[in-house]
Amino acid sequence: GAGVSQSPSNKVTEKGKDVELRCDPISGHTALYWYRQSLGQGLEFLIYFQGNSAPDKSGLPSDRFSAERTGGSVSTLTIQRTQQEDSAVYLCASSLVQGGAYEQYFGPGTRLTVT
Amino acid sequence: KNEVEQSPQNLTAQEGEFITINCSYSVGISALHWLQQHPGGGIVSLFMLSSGKKKHGRLIATINIQEKHSSLHITASHPRDSAVYICAVSLMKAAGNKLTFGGGTRVLVKP
Repeated sequence: GAGVSQSPSNKVTEKGKDVELRCDPISGHTALYWYRQSLGQGLEFLIYFQGNSAPDKSGLPSDRFSAERTGGSVSTLTIQRTQQEDSAVYLCASSLVQGGAYEQYFGPGTRLTVT
Repeated sequence: KNEVEQSPQNLTAQEGEFITINCSYSVGISALHWLQQHPGGGIVSLFMLSSGKKKHGRLIATINIQEKHSSLHITASHPRDSAVYICAVSLMKAAGNKLTFGGGTRVLVKP
């Protein structure tokens, strides 16, 4: 079946612009995660959605970052007033259920470059 | 100190050699994950384990919960094993199974 998909694959934007990144999780996966991979910081957690529960936003680095998940499926990560330090690969992952530990399936990522 | 530490950071091996990557963590976990990332590629989950040992092809992962340590072994290494290997943990105290990552081990296998 189809894996996790993300779009766009690459995004170049000017400093100060807003960007939206999209994630389509595997059908039926109730948990969705956003992570960021940057050269200086490695991989870090951003935000987590599970079903209709309030998202865990504890990893968002600033209030310029927000995310939503509509209908329990597609998610968008929005970065407002982008800064150069936002340049990174943004990864989405999904897994079957919450509770216990389940394997996470990663999307190919969106490479964001802020000029 | 990071909650998840990997060693070595870089490793070069000749084709056919046995490779070991180590991961230590300092917190209670519900599971440990080994991930693989090829250059320019996406992240693939290799193993998820909470006890004992798992094997898949030439890859073996072990975990010692008491010592808070895991190893990933690659037997009969091949150039296509060249990738970054990342250890990640699901923290026991954290709801939702979000991952905390080690810094990765860059493996280069020369023919």
